[in-house]
Amino acid sequence: KAGVTQTPRYLIKTRGQQVTLSCSPISGHRSVSWYQQTPGQGLQFLFEYFSETQRNKGNFPGRFSGRQFSNSRSEMNVSTLELGDSALYLCASSLDGLTYGYTFGSGTRLTVV
Amino acid sequence: GENVEQHPSTLSVQEGDSAVIKCTYSDSASNYFPWYKQELGKRPQLIIDIRSNVGEKKDQRIAVTLNKTAKHFSLHITETQPEDSAVYFCAAVRGGSNYKLTFGKGTLLTVNP
Repeated sequence: KAGVTQTPRYLIKTRGQQVTLSCSPISGHRSVSWYQQTPGQGLQFLFEYFSETQRNKGNFPGRFSGRQFSNSRSEMNVSTLELGDSALYLCASSLDGLTYGYTFGSGTRLTVV
Repeated sequence: GENVEQHPSTLSVQEGDSAVIKCTYSDSASNYFPWYKQELGKRPQLIIDIRSNVGEKKDQRIAVTLNKTAKHFSLHITETQPEDSAVYFCAAVRGGSNYKLTFGKGTLLTVNP
């Protein structure tokens, strides 16, 4: 079966712009979580959605937001981009976040210039 | 909130030796503990997990132990091979309506041939 698909794979944006990243989970998975990965900070949890509801949110500013659609696809939006937002953004899907752990997508590499 | 401490941050072993990575968590409501392996330039992949009602789980050369009382869990890799070289992340998950997944900061394991 198809894995977790993230688009786009690479993105270059200018400071102050906004960006939307997309994540299509494995068919049947209802939980989607998002992470920011930088060399010095490891995997930092952004938020998790289950059946279109945000169940929890990490310690990121309000510029980071997300949503999940009825087909479980999820989008993440970052407004007013800053240089420090440059990172690999990973999404992961799971049946419910508890059953078999998460399957990660390949990520979107965002560079802010 | 939940805090997951992972040690060591780097670990270097000789091929054939054992490697142990330890994590502690703070939220007593955490009930699911997955481990992920991330090779350079690749996505994290689930390698083993354990639930709070189990004390130990083994899968070939990999084992995980959980001590709920002390709130710590460990990954054990025996007979290490160069292909085990990667960054390993532990995570603690609290289920239910207050769902939360917290990752440790990762351990860079290097297996020297």
